[in-house]
Amino acid sequence: AQTVTQSQPEMSVQEAETVTLSCTYDTSENNYYLFWYKQPPSRQMILVIRQEAYKQQNATENRFSVNFQKAAKSFSLKISDSQLGDTAMYFCAFTNYNTDKLIFGTGTRLQVFP
Amino acid sequence: DTAVSQTPKYLVTQMGNDKSIKCEQNLGHDTMYWYKQDSKKFLKIMFSYNNKELIINETVPNRFSPKSPDKAHLNLHINSLELGDSAVYFCASSPTNTDTQYFGPGTRLTVL
Repeated sequence: AQTVTQSQPEMSVQEAETVTLSCTYDTSENNYYLFWYKQPPSRQMILVIRQEAYKQQNATENRFSVNFQKAAKSFSLKISDSQLGDTAMYFCAFTNYNTDKLIFGTGTRLQVFP
Repeated sequence: DTAVSQTPKYLVTQMGNDKSIKCEQNLGHDTMYWYKQDSKKFLKIMFSYNNKELIINETVPNRFSPKSPDKAHLNLHINSLELGDSAVYFCASSPTNTDTQYFGPGTRLTVL
């Protein structure tokens, strides 16, 4: 069975600093996608970043970047120059080429302090 | 220009009632989903539909019945509501059945 693990229930960072959120996953598949979603207090699920497993290059979206280590099955999210608006729950998620469903981790609550 | 919309955003009802949540996407996507987020924020898929056909039914009680009148709509009907049904329900859609999923704003259901 495929699983996604986020071992940090809560993290905090000061504004303008950098923070890294951890995610590991377990699968026997070779082709899959990985995602980070953000859920602010408004409850909306917002896609932050997407990585295709066959791509060796780490995905980047402005201040957000990932460290994708396929052999280690690790997919961490780095947020640079943290902003107050980054305060949210962050969910790591996985889907493979043969299934429709996203499998989510348990989330990391990130608090950005001024 | 809401991409994935859900109505209502909040739903408070008594145990035993029947209620529906509606979802519409204007993205032209083929696949739509329902997810449940429990009180601990854990998200789990319930159903997925591809072009109006049921693809996934993730061992959800049969009190939950999704209905897809067309590929832009996926509604969720819940019969005989129970306390444990209280949760946030998210609708999502994707252009193919393995691509990025875009979520609606969620519906917070409270069963009293």
